[in-house]
Amino acid sequence: DAKTTQPNSMESNEEEPVHLPCNHSTISGTDYIHWYRQLPSQGPEYVIHGLTSNVNNRMASLAIAEDRKSSTLILHRATLRDAAVYYCILRDVTGANNLFFGTGTRLTVIP
Amino acid sequence: NAGVTQTPKFRILKIGQSMTLQCTQDMNHNYMYWYRQDPGMGLKLIYYSVGAGITDKGEVPNGYNVSRSTTEDFPLRLELAAPSQTSVYFCASSWTGRSPLHFGNGTRLTVT
Repeated sequence: DAKTTQPNSMESNEEEPVHLPCNHSTISGTDYIHWYRQLPSQGPEYVIHGLTSNVNNRMASLAIAEDRKSSTLILHRATLRDAAVYYCILRDVTGANNLFFGTGTRLTVIP
Repeated sequence: NAGVTQTPKFRILKIGQSMTLQCTQDMNHNYMYWYRQDPGMGLKLIYYSVGAGITDKGEVPNGYNVSRSTTEDFPLRLELAAPSQTSVYFCASSWTGRSPLHFGNGTRLTVT
């Protein structure tokens, strides 16, 4: 099963952009890249996902490398409410076998 | 919409007891999942289902059982509780195998 690698922790100042990296060197052609975040004492929350092209939504942007072996979640202006653990996972369209969350990146936002 | 609802929110079990964690979704999603999250760790997939009547094992299925008799419900059964099953359990659902997951707020289980 394809897995992802993320830094354990990152810090950002409030109202500055944040770039959260994710490596997925064993990604297959049918794997979608998903990002979730988990606030304290809550279930994970969907942020964004993509296959090959960069994606934008109201929460964030997702930049996917041309070879798809890495991606970056971009929060354009970090707020205190963005402090959470961010997970990058791969989803295969054929099933749920490789929904591996890992330990994610704990983002600290400094006021 | 309520989304994904899990009950109970908290539970303490004695070793060897059994219980069922309930999960219901009102989004008519085909896929449903059970995860466990140990302190400071990521989520691990226990079981999943791609539709009513179909279930399959995930990464850590030992000690658990599931059933999927309806689209809405996906209960998780612990038959003989062990301290190693102390964890937070999350249920999730999705429309397809590639669409976003919707999570419940979790059940915190302690086995002593």
